[in-house]
Amino acid sequence: QVQLVQSGAEVKKPGASVKVSCKASGFSFTSYGVTWVRQAPGQGLEWMGWISAYNGNTNYAQKLQGRVTMTTDTSTSTAYLELRSLRSDDTAVYYCARGGPTSGSYSPYWGQGTLVTVSS
Amino acid sequence: DIVMTQSPDSLAVSLGERATIYCKSSQTVLYSSNNKNSLAWYQQKPGQPPKLLIYWASTRDSGVPDRFSGSGSGTDFTLTISSLQAEDVAVYYCQQYYSTPPWTFGQGTKVEIK
Repeated sequence: QVQLVQSGAEVKKPGASVKVSCKASGFSFTSYGVTWVRQAPGQGLEWMGWISAYNGNTNYAQKLQGRVTMTTDTSTSTAYLELRSLRSDDTAVYYCARGGPTSGSYSPYWGQGTLVTVSS
Repeated sequence: DIVMTQSPDSLAVSLGERATIYCKSSQTVLYSSNNKNSLAWYQQKPGQPPKLLIYWASTRDSGVPDRFSGSGSGTDFTLTISSLQAEDVAVYYCQQYYSTPPWTFGQGTKVEIK
């Protein structure tokens, strides 16, 4: 069955970086993309960006440009989200979801979420 | 960027009654080439990731009860729960995945039991 399994919770200090992983199984990883979505405590869903595991193309939310990098390792079917220069308002649950290979798509499969806490 | 606006922010409905949630996009999400609207609906319960309910504005995902239905086209969309059940208490989000990113979400609508 399709699964997206994310890495565990992280606690980081302001200014640090975090890297969250998302390991896919049960489908052909390189036939899809990975979307990253975050949710601050008590808030709604925020689209962060997308990476194509098919061709490596990326697109990031404008507000995160310069601080975010999304990558994939097709040999292990794993996607990564790196966020740098962390601030307190980056505290959120970060989700990966299966997306389209070359364009926008709905997401029927989601990871379990990774809580990232930014606190001094 | 396409802005998605849901209404209401919250609603309370009696068990067995109809719940209706609206979603409006700031520009069309209808592909004229295939006449499909790039609009999805998700349900999220506390502590869980979102669950896909509807895609292409009106197609139910596998296993989704038929009391959930989606409708609309262009810029105006509706999610209807025909007979609210206790397990439907959740926050519901619309999302557009039209053309170029960002593929934005609505702010969410909280559904509760009256």
